[in-house]
Amino acid sequence: GNSVTQMEGPVTLSEEAFLTINCTYTATGYPSLFWYVQYPGEGLQLLLKATKADDKGSNKGFEATYRKETTSFHLEKGSVQVSDSAVYFCALSDRDGGSNYKLTFGKGTLLTVNP
Amino acid sequence: EAQVTQNPRYLITVTGKKLTVTCSQNMNHEYMSWYRQDPGLGLRQIYYSMNVEVTDKGDVPEGYKVSRKEKRNFPLILESPSPNQTSLYFCASRRGRSYEQYFGPGTRLTVT
Repeated sequence: GNSVTQMEGPVTLSEEAFLTINCTYTATGYPSLFWYVQYPGEGLQLLLKATKADDKGSNKGFEATYRKETTSFHLEKGSVQVSDSAVYFCALSDRDGGSNYKLTFGKGTLLTVNP
Repeated sequence: EAQVTQNPRYLITVTGKKLTVTCSQNMNHEYMSWYRQDPGLGLRQIYYSMNVEVTDKGDVPEGYKVSRKEKRNFPLILESPSPNQTSLYFCASRRGRSYEQYFGPGTRLTVT
């Protein structure tokens, strides 16, 4: 079946530091890839997505590139802010053999950014 | 405002006492789904629904029921809750086969 493996953390950075959160996946089909963010006490929000190989998703200064050859979708940001403190989930969406385009999530990475 | 709402947001109950967590979306989405989030396990799908009166099991359906009588609502029912169902629950919806799922704010359930 499908699976997502991401760096578990926690990750603690100083403001303006460079962020990388690694994510690799296993899928039998041609999945779409996502990063979701969960701020304290809130639900998940879609941060960015990529639907085919070599696509780059970007939003709010975050980027991730769909690398089929390495089955990876690493999240990066050049300069993090305190407001980026949250839990980040890597996920893929693929048909499960039927009609369910379900999301398969990694375990999440807690990011704390200190001023 | 387009949104997915869940009620209650917090619930503490005892083993065996039936409960229902409601989920409603105002985006006319066909697809709705329930996930549970547990530390170290990420989110796992419990049940999903492709449309009214069409539901199916996800990865961890044991101990849960759902119904989809109206397009906007997708309640999660625990007939006889047990402590291992203590978790954070999220409802999500999606339009047809589009990629983005919209998540509710979550319901934190504690079963003692």
